[in-house]
Amino acid sequence: GAVVSQHPSRVICKSGTSVKIECRSLDFQATTMFWYRQFPKQSLMLMATSNEGSKATYEQGVEKDKFLINHASLTLSTLTVTSAHPEDSSFYICSARGGGGEAYEQYFGPGTRLTVT
Amino acid sequence: AQSVTQLGSHVSVSEGALVLLRCNYSSSVPPYLFWYVQYPNQGLQLLLKYTSAATLVKGINGFEAEFKKSETSFHLTKPSAHMSDAAEYFCAVSGGSGSARQLTFGSGTQLTVLP
Repeated sequence: GAVVSQHPSRVICKSGTSVKIECRSLDFQATTMFWYRQFPKQSLMLMATSNEGSKATYEQGVEKDKFLINHASLTLSTLTVTSAHPEDSSFYICSARGGGGEAYEQYFGPGTRLTVT
Repeated sequence: AQSVTQLGSHVSVSEGALVLLRCNYSSSVPPYLFWYVQYPNQGLQLLLKYTSAATLVKGINGFEAEFKKSETSFHLTKPSAHMSDAAEYFCAVSGGSGSARQLTFGSGTQLTVLP
């Protein structure tokens, strides 16, 4: 149980275009989803926290107009990188937390490698 | 506020040798502590967690960690390394309460297992 998927696993896009990344909880209802960014050889940095049906809470320094997060259902959250630039190239990982589980339990997706050319 | 420090960004051990990955934390509230493993181009897999119960925590794949409050440490160990243990390991702390519990990750330790 507690499986989280991400799609796509890998995407290459041109500078100036927008890219949408999906995060799904496959076998539980995710009341909260988290989006992380990971640069090569570095740790995960929390970008934002989203609760189903409400606006995401962004961490300091993360542009909410550039990284649009939608959590419209209990099994799906999307991250849209708008007007992507090469510096947005990174590994994006989502995690999900169910309402019935412990508050600390997060289940991670496999990640999405974004390359902006 | 909470933070995690992982000492040693790279650790190399021989196959069959003891694995010791160090983690020290800082938290203004009693912490929950975690170790995750990440294989290349994959997400994170939970190895083990400390949530204020037993201070010696056993996880998957033969790993264990001991919570030492006096040392603010949560070091990860495994008695005998296997080639498949080669990966990136992250220590994380979760402070706060309820929905405010977020994870703060350390910078990671790359474990290499030599034949």
